[in-house]
Amino acid sequence: DAKTTQPPSMDCAEGRAANLPCNHSTISGNEYVYWYRQIHSQGPQYIIHGLKNNETNEMASLIITEDRKSSTLILPHATLRDTAVYYCIVRTTNTGNQFYFGTGTSLTVIP
Amino acid sequence: GAVVSQHPSRVICKSGTSVKIECRSLDFQATTMFWYRQFPKQSLMLMATSNEGSKATYEQGVEKDKFLINHASLTLSTLTVTSAHPEDSSFYICSAPLATFYGYTFGSGTRLTVV
Repeated sequence: DAKTTQPPSMDCAEGRAANLPCNHSTISGNEYVYWYRQIHSQGPQYIIHGLKNNETNEMASLIITEDRKSSTLILPHATLRDTAVYYCIVRTTNTGNQFYFGTGTSLTVIP
Repeated sequence: GAVVSQHPSRVICKSGTSVKIECRSLDFQATTMFWYRQFPKQSLMLMATSNEGSKATYEQGVEKDKFLINHASLTLSTLTVTSAHPEDSSFYICSAPLATFYGYTFGSGTRLTVV
């Protein structure tokens, strides 16, 4: 599975949009982009995933560039509870394939 | 939604003893489960893939005789840390793939402290 590169940390003011970037320049055509987050001492939580098109759900939006070499996770109105480590992962949809986690981005939402 | 239940959430054990961690899929069947380990301020590291009815597959560098994995049913996988040492103290997390969105659901994790 392709590797990803994320900034190690980011800050965001409460109520503002948090934009978390991810580079995945070696992504293959059949690999999806997944985003998970991990709040301290908890298991990772699914946020969103996509293949080519931009996606939106109740938690976030995912913007994938046309060449699919990078993506951005957008939390439209960050709250203090969004403080967590955010992981961008690319993999195929083969359910036997493991998730390999990179270092992620530690997002701190500031009051 | 699909839930993976992991127990215990915290355990403290003495050096040399063994500890078993359970991971159950509550409302779906999981022929495959994955076990991760996470040290403080580090990312999740995949330890092994647990397969129902067959032997687990271990990642390079993970001692299979120390971390025993059993996946005896479609809803239960267990990880046993044998002859635990303080360096085995870590956060252990299980997960299972979901066919619905081709992603994973994760357990809440087990904080193991070996004293």
